[in-house]
Amino acid sequence: AQKVTQAQTEISVVEKEDVTLDCVYETRDTTYYLFWYKQPPSGELVFLIRRNSFDEQNEISGRYSWNFQKSTSSFNFTITASQVVDSAVYFCALSEPYGNNRLAFGKGNQVVVIP
Amino acid sequence: DSGVTQTPKHLITATGQRVTLRCSPRSGDLSVYWYQQSLDQGLQFLIQYYNGEERAKGNILERFSAQQFPDLHSELNLSSLELGDSALYFCASSDPGSGYTFGSGTRLTVV
Repeated sequence: AQKVTQAQTEISVVEKEDVTLDCVYETRDTTYYLFWYKQPPSGELVFLIRRNSFDEQNEISGRYSWNFQKSTSSFNFTITASQVVDSAVYFCALSEPYGNNRLAFGKGNQVVVIP
Repeated sequence: DSGVTQTPKHLITATGQRVTLRCSPRSGDLSVYWYQQSLDQGLQFLIQYYNGEERAKGNILERFSAQQFPDLHSELNLSSLELGDSALYFCASSDPGSGYTFGSGTRLTVV
């Protein structure tokens, strides 16, 4: 069975600080996809990234960066120089082979950025 | 706009009633998924349809059912509603190239 663990439930940071969200996953599949989604207070799920299990390169998109470590089954997410607009719940998710099936979500990290 | 349209955005209904949630997938996507987000269970997969056929089932109650129509829109029917069914219901669609896109959700409140 696939499982995603996001241990930190709520994280508070002062604006401009960096924040790292940990995601640890379990799967028996050798091919899988990992995702991060942002859920702002308005409730929608905003896609941030999809990573193929064969691509271990780290990725940076603006203030967001992701560190994929297959050896430790982790896919961590860092927000650099946090802003108040980053306040949201962030979900890590894992999909079955080929990225076209159900997503198994972690419980989410509530990030609160204090101005 | 994600391209996935869900209606209605909000729904308030009484226990024992039946409601229908509607989802129009992104243009060209054949797969539609339904997820439920509740405070105690988190985000859970309910059911998937692919081009009109049921493809996968998750933790969907027997009181819930879904279908996908020839125009690819999907409906999730929730019946004999209980207080515990209050949740945010998401629809998502996907294609093999880009992965998942979620709609903005339907917030169901059962009173």
